[in-house]
This record gives sequence, C-alpha cells and structure tokens, in this order.
Amino acid sequence: QSALTQPASVSGSPGQSITISCTGTSSDIGDYDSVSWYQQHPGKAPKLLIFDVSNRPSGVSNRFSGSKAGNTASLTISGLQAEDGAEYYCSSYTNSRGVFGTGTKVTVL
Amino acid sequence: QVQLVQSGAEVRKPGASVKVSCKASGYTFNDYYLHWVRQAPGEGLEWMGWINPNSGGTNSAYKFEGRVTMTRDTSIRTAYMELRRLTSDDTAVYYCARGPREIMIPAPTLGTWGHGTLVTVSS
Repeated sequence: QSALTQPASVSGSPGQSITISCTGTSSDIGDYDSVSWYQQHPGKAPKLLIFDVSNRPSGVSNRFSGSKAGNTASLTISGLQAEDGAEYYCSSYTNSRGVFGTGTKVTVL
Repeated sequence: QVQLVQSGAEVRKPGASVKVSCKASGYTFNDYYLHWVRQAPGEGLEWMGWINPNSGGTNSAYKFEGRVTMTRDTSIRTAYMELRRLTSDDTAVYYCARGPREIMIPAPTLGTWGHGTLVTVSS
C-alpha cells in the first residue's frame, strides 16, 4: 500500500494547460477505475475535483479533466488561472483500502 | 446540506490514546461510507481507514492495523476514530470524509470533508 507517485511540482502561466501524473501499480490504478483527484489550498480541507477517473462533481469547472492509461492517471488543468495555485492529490482504491498520491504543488507563474 | 462536524483539537502525551468524533448531518448517515484521512504538518494526505455505518464493518491501512479503531453510533449520526499508542509522528490534522454509498466499493471518493481535528502529541 505504497503512496502513488506524483511530481513534486508543476508550474504554468495563466491560460496555459498543465498535466499532473499519478503513477501506481497493477494493484491500484491499473486494477480499478476508482481514481479521484483533490485540490487543497493551505489551511483548508481537500476538495474533490474528479472521481472515477474522469467524472466531475457538480460545480467543478470543466477546466479540470482526468484520464487513465495503464497504471498511470492524469489530471489536466486547462486555461490555468491564479486560483488554481494549490496542492493536488490523486487517490485510488486498492484491495478494499485506499491510497493517496504524494501530492503536487501547482504554481501559476 | 451535507455536513461533517468534527470534535475539537486535542493534546496528548506519547503513549496515550485519542478519540476523534465526526457528526454527520444533511443525509442518511447509514447510506454512505465514512473515511478517515490524516495530514501531518507540511506533509501530504494519508489514508487511514473506512467504516460502513450501516454494518459497522471497517478496514484500515496496514500501518494502522492494531492501533486504530473506528466505530459509529447511528442513534446520534456520529463516527469515531480512536488511535492508540501515540507518538510524535501522529501529530497531524485528522479528517473524516464521506465516501461512496455503502452498496458500492469503499473507494476513497470523498465528496464532503470535515473541517479537521488537530491532534498534537508532545511530552
């Protein structure tokens, strides 16, 4: 049940698109379509952005999109905005348990 | 609206135990898994476990097995997470979060989060 691997940081200019990867194994991401993505601003609770690989909860901007290929999931933020600067985490179901990614800090230049 | 209200901050000495509560409102308590997640200062999210409020069934991360107990009191729509044999490494904000419907797999798809409970372990 090791943490999923994410890049420590990703940056982009306003209006650009960025992609955050989340790499697991054949026992978690590779075996289930239960990948979620969360955004967390400092001092706040995480917010669900994407569930079941590519679905957005009501109220989440369509600038956020998710995908999966093999053991790696990805979150793409298009039309980057200043308020997108935050920490992002992926999660996956695995063997009746859960696991989070290591987290990625997104900086809007 | 769906809401999870957690108990207040706690301070414990090493070796002690702590019990955090999470009171649900705005939905049918028995119908959704509740997960527990913690975050040490400056660190990432760490999944701890889940409870099925309907059956009382639980499962926890391997690293917490034998040290964590998750329970619920359906009469007051409240879930509890007790962590024993605390060390300074357990200093963290502990969150409860609502998961999927209990008829589904208990994936960490967490749409509503509590505000978090800071647990400080210090001698």
